Amino acid sequence: QSVLTQPPSASGTPGQRVTISCSGSSSNIDFNTVSWYQQLPGTAPKLLIYGHNQRPSGVPDRFSGTVSGTSASLAISGLQSDDEADYYCAAWDDSLNGPVFGGGTKLTVL
Amino acid sequence: QVQLVESGGGVVQPGRSLRLSCAASGFRFSDYAMYWVRQAPGKGLEWVAVISYDGGYEFYTDSVKGRFTISRDNSMNSLFLQMNSLRTVDTAIYYCARDGVLNGLDIWGQGTRVTVSS
Repeated sequence: QSVLTQPPSASGTPGQRVTISCSGSSSNIDFNTVSWYQQLPGTAPKLLIYGHNQRPSGVPDRFSGTVSGTSASLAISGLQSDDEADYYCAAWDDSLNGPVFGGGTKLTVL
Repeated sequence: QVQLVESGGGVVQPGRSLRLSCAASGFRFSDYAMYWVRQAPGKGLEWVAVISYDGGYEFYTDSVKGRFTISRDNSMNSLFLQMNSLRTVDTAIYYCARDGVLNGLDIWGQGTRVTVSS
């Protein structure tokens, strides 16, 4: 049972916009910044979003993050087949003194 | 080129020890906090341990407290994870990762596989 709750799966067709939710609590998302990671099959995770909604250099602006209270969302617009991957949210947890991850969402591009 | 390269994984019996290493290059290692994150087969990501830029503080996830020790040698641009009293549930790919801006883990190694089995 992960501290941050994500739907196990999501799907969309090419060109579509999809969102992935991440639900937390007052000890993590409410007061700490959220990051999102993309993990392609057989590879290490890659940082997609940090600081709630900032993109590292090289990450397309098709990826965006939002936070409201104890929940966060990752939106992917103009869905592409290359976006098929596992997506994880994360945030520092003040009660655990460490970061917590969501259980991950497997995105399928139909 | 900014890079992290892990090593030291392998197959080990329950109760034994293993030491993982992570070699950093392409950036000023001593400026960054560093993490170990693991991923059990078919499972999600789990934070294991974090160490501050100067080694002044360390935090561990509850399941490894008292068994694992994170350390670093800034003169050698290296991060370590000493794992003692290993259990089958510790079987995972172990990644080292750099703590970039606002707690985003911006650089990850390729991972090293640890299998604990009798």
